Amino acid sequence: DQQVKQNSPSLSVQEGRISILNCDYTNSMFDYFLWYKKYPAEGPTFLISISSIKDKNEDGRFTVFLNKSAKHLSLHIVPSQPGDSAVYFCAASYSGAGSYQLTFGKGTKLSVIP
Amino acid sequence: SAVISQKPSRDICQRGTSLTIQCQVDSQVTMMFWYRQQPGQSLTLIATANQGSEATYESGFVIDKFPISRPNLTFSTLTVSNMSPEDSSIYLCSVEVARRLYSEAFFGQGTRLTVV
Repeated sequence: DQQVKQNSPSLSVQEGRISILNCDYTNSMFDYFLWYKKYPAEGPTFLISISSIKDKNEDGRFTVFLNKSAKHLSLHIVPSQPGDSAVYFCAASYSGAGSYQLTFGKGTKLSVIP
Repeated sequence: SAVISQKPSRDICQRGTSLTIQCQVDSQVTMMFWYRQQPGQSLTLIATANQGSEATYESGFVIDKFPISRPNLTFSTLTVSNMSPEDSSIYLCSVEVARRLYSEAFFGQGTRLTVV
């Protein structure tokens, strides 16, 4: 049973437009959500996160929105740039886990077309 | 932040052989984590490696298949034993850095393993 779902394996967006990457989760105990970005032949790097006590977190061109009632979060990239082309992983964790553990989605490959 | 050096970056191995992946961190960390990403799949946690004790394995992963060493607070190895083509994956080591409100994960660059 996949607790974190990214239902779109790929997404293509024109440069300068908005990219919206979606993520759904099923475990209501998750209280922290993170987005990671992964280029080919590199490990994932942290991008942005949001706590369940918030519904929005913004960092430059990147904004993450959280809808707890729908168990849904999304990452918005505005404006999209060719360098944003990468695989984006949504991850979730909960503070009651004791030891740290992230649960990842399968990733969405974003292609930004110049 | 934490800088993680992972090697080899890629390898092609014969079935039935074993490969040991090394992970070096530039600072001391309590826990190190090993993940696997099979083609088209999520990053899946294999095990958590604590220094001075046996690794804790997630459901579906066993020590005989994925032995882990953690000799000190900056280094760990993961061995993929008796490999089969199904073990072809990207293997990643990761460490946790505690922030004020959450923990942030840093990853090595990954090891792309192909078993033929």
